[in-house]
Amino acid sequence: DAMVIQNPRYQVTQFGKPVTLSCSQTLNHNVMYWYQQKSSQAPKLLFHYYDKDFNNEADTPDNFQSRRPNTSFCFLDIRSPGLGDAAMYLCATSSRGTGANVLTFGAGSRLTVL
Amino acid sequence: AQSVTQPDIHITVSEGASLELRCNYSYGATPYLFWYVQSPGQGLQLLLKYFSGDTLVQGIKGFEAEFKRSQSSFNLRKPSVHWSDAAEYFCAVGARGGSYIPTFGRGTSLIVHP
Repeated sequence: DAMVIQNPRYQVTQFGKPVTLSCSQTLNHNVMYWYQQKSSQAPKLLFHYYDKDFNNEADTPDNFQSRRPNTSFCFLDIRSPGLGDAAMYLCATSSRGTGANVLTFGAGSRLTVL
Repeated sequence: AQSVTQPDIHITVSEGASLELRCNYSYGATPYLFWYVQSPGQGLQLLLKYFSGDTLVQGIKGFEAEFKRSQSSFNLRKPSVHWSDAAEYFCAVGARGGSYIPTFGRGTSLIVHP
């Protein structure tokens, strides 16, 4: 089945130690998103790629970076994780064309910062 | 810009009882409307969507939602809740012009009592 796969599902890191989360998709969608979700809150969009075009949300901290080396893969890099960065990180994809934009989500990567 | 309100943070129902989760949106025209469900520790899954046409839409897992333009609402319903329906439910609204990224509500947590 076509899907969105996130790795790792669980990541434990130390304060200040860089972390990379990955996302791959077999849907051939041209848009990929990274969301941060803290407990019992709505997902918060960090940034997204429309094809190769990177779009950063205005309030996304500089500590968060992203790479999309090809259509199928996207990475979230947290350069110096703080305690406040502990959260679930959700990757999503969509096919941007005419009509509504339906997002397909991965299962998420839960980050713990010690 | 569009916005969405889910006025109930938590809803508790007994198994077998009916369910209605509320969602109100703000947008200058007819929006695209979505309901997503998130089980604990998982990503979001699309339950149903409204684009146009019949205002009563059917989704997966026995859920339905009704678009009411006069009330700017898109409430989610299920006639008989199962214990496995316990999850977080997110309403989202998408614009027909401008930004293609849907805006999520803060979510409603559904608790099901046996």
